[in-house]
Amino acid sequence: ETGVTQTPRHLVMGMTNKKSLKCEQHLGHNAMYWYKQSAKKPLELMFVYNFKEQTENNSVPSRFSPECPNSSHLFLHLHTLQPEDSALYLCASRTKAWDQSSYEQYFGPGTRLTVT
Amino acid sequence: GESVGLHLPTLSVQEGDNSIINCAYSNSASDYFIWYKQESGKGPQFIIDIRSNMDKRQGQRVTVLLNKTVKHLSLQIAATQPGDSAVYFCAETKPYNQGGKLIFGQGTELSVKP
Repeated sequence: ETGVTQTPRHLVMGMTNKKSLKCEQHLGHNAMYWYKQSAKKPLELMFVYNFKEQTENNSVPSRFSPECPNSSHLFLHLHTLQPEDSALYLCASRTKAWDQSSYEQYFGPGTRLTVT
Repeated sequence: GESVGLHLPTLSVQEGDNSIINCAYSNSASDYFIWYKQESGKGPQFIIDIRSNMDKRQGQRVTVLLNKTVKHLSLQIAATQPGDSAVYFCAETKPYNQGGKLIFGQGTELSVKP
């Protein structure tokens, strides 16, 4: 079991719904990440937060809205999604985004999202 | 058994055999590489890493080889077991001054036959 938890584990939502994904890390890290994992494609980095500040938005559509209230919690707010947004959404944490001593990211189990 | 990573996404080996999973990376300036294992229904899990100043690093039953000349990374798993069945990803990091972000490969699915 990793120190990164994600809820819910599965989510089915309609295109007009609004929902949120939650990530929590218990590792004392200061950097948190959202990734999208689609079938047969590499993990796609979406957002990076370092010490609660967003440092990376990888050209993600505005229907995905991240929030990082503190270094331990990360949310991804979803609204008016498209069927092609169905994927596994993974959260990860790291000591800090600019740490040269360790690049390892610790992943949560992911939220399997289905948009109908 | 051996795969070419990005070009052959599946690898099937017999239990007890050695497995070799290959990965080609893109940035000659990348200075750190990681192998992750992802089992069904779980997030990626760290296996082993290697810095660009090394050619080889060994862990428990796993070895990572780095060939910077041809920008090639491989993961060798000795005496492959059914519990090794998973998707394996290589990841490279961009240099420090580009944020140290991890860039993931497509992944290779390893299937171990009993």
